[in-house]
Parts: sequence; structure tokens; C-alpha cells
Amino acid sequence: DIQMTQSPSSLSASVGDRVTITCRASQGISNYLAWYQQKPGKVPKLLIYAASTLQSGVPSRFSGSGSGTDFTLTISSLQSEDVATYYCQKYSSAPWTFGQGTKVEIK
Amino acid sequence: EVQLVESGGGLVKPGGSLRLSCAASGFTFSNAWMSWVRQAPGKGLEWVGRIKSKTDGGTTDYAAPVKGRFTISRDDSKNTLFLQMNSLKTEDTAVYFCTKYDTIPFDYWGQGTLVTVSS
Repeated sequence: DIQMTQSPSSLSASVGDRVTITCRASQGISNYLAWYQQKPGKVPKLLIYAASTLQSGVPSRFSGSGSGTDFTLTISSLQSEDVATYYCQKYSSAPWTFGQGTKVEIK
Repeated sequence: EVQLVESGGGLVKPGGSLRLSCAASGFTFSNAWMSWVRQAPGKGLEWVGRIKSKTDGGTTDYAAPVKGRFTISRDDSKNTLFLQMNSLKTEDTAVYFCTKYDTIPFDYWGQGTLVTVSS
């Protein structure tokens, strides 16, 4: 099975900072990658699919890039409401594995 | 409006069984691939399994920890997804979510139902 490795596992940044989270697949998955935001006690929210397509209604400060094995989620200017845990998920073929998550906090 | 509503969670003893349901509305359920995802308390998201649409064969795939114990099925006439969970273990304790994959993958999730496996 293809493994998904996210890094870092947590980060602390200031409001306005550029934040980058990476997700690496152990084998190529083309662009079958999604990114989610989950706030405590809430349902995961789709941010990005097909590696770089912004889901409707998601602020444009979020962006995704990558293909094959290496992917990136970028928050161009971190806001206080972006405090959450972020997950990547591959959906190229089963199993549709998630990364272990990255917890984002405000410094 | 798309809605996914899970039900059937509760407290069950190790070795027991439980059947979860996910009632869908607001989209063409029969065309969607449906998936179950779980989240143990304080832990990350874990994909449980998925079922394809009947048009695409209706086949199922499962994560290794649940394979052989869990079964996903669907009733397109009732717009309902099911998760039959047998031989439950304490490590199956989690909130279970259903989510859909049609034109946009995983754009809608249910609110989740809590399954607690404990003696």
C-alpha cells in the first residue's frame, strides 16, 4: 500500500506568515490528492482536490501544488481562523490513505 | 442541499456487532462512490473503506485494520449507505463519518456517529 507522510506534524506561526505543509506519497499518485482542514470538534472541510483545485468557498490564501509523489499546501497569509489540523488524503486507488495531520497554531 | 446523516452508533462490548447507516439526500446517490472514515478520540482521520456505484461495479475496498470484519453496502432505492461492523475491538472506538465522491471528491461529510467499544 502507498503511505502518505505529512510534515511537519505541528507548526506555530504568526498572523500574516506564509505557511507550507508537505505531503509525500511513497509511490506516484498522479494528482489524486485532497487537503482538508479540521477544527476541534468539527467535521473535516475539503480545501483542495486534484492536488491544486480550490474547493468553492475556500479563501484564496489557500493553495495546493504538486504531482506524483510530492505535494504542498500553502497558506499565503496565516489568519487566526486558520488554526486547525490539516490532512492530506490520496484517492488514486484504494486504500485512500490519509496523512497523519499537521496541527497549525498561532505564535 | 446535500445532506449526509449517520446513525446507529453506540456502546458495544468487544466482540460485538453494530450496523451504521448514512442517509443521503440532495444529490444522485446512485452515481456516487461512498466512503466511511473514522477518527478515534484525539487521533487523526483514518479511511475505513468505500463502495463504488453500481454503474462502476459496486465493489468494495477496505483498510487493512477492518478487512474481514467490516462490510460496506448500499441501498440505492433508499439512498442509504451501511457499515456492518463485526468482531469489534476496543481500537474501533471512534467517530464514524460517511462522505461522498462524485463530481468533486469528499466535498460533503456527515456529522459523524460515535461508536464506543468497551466492556
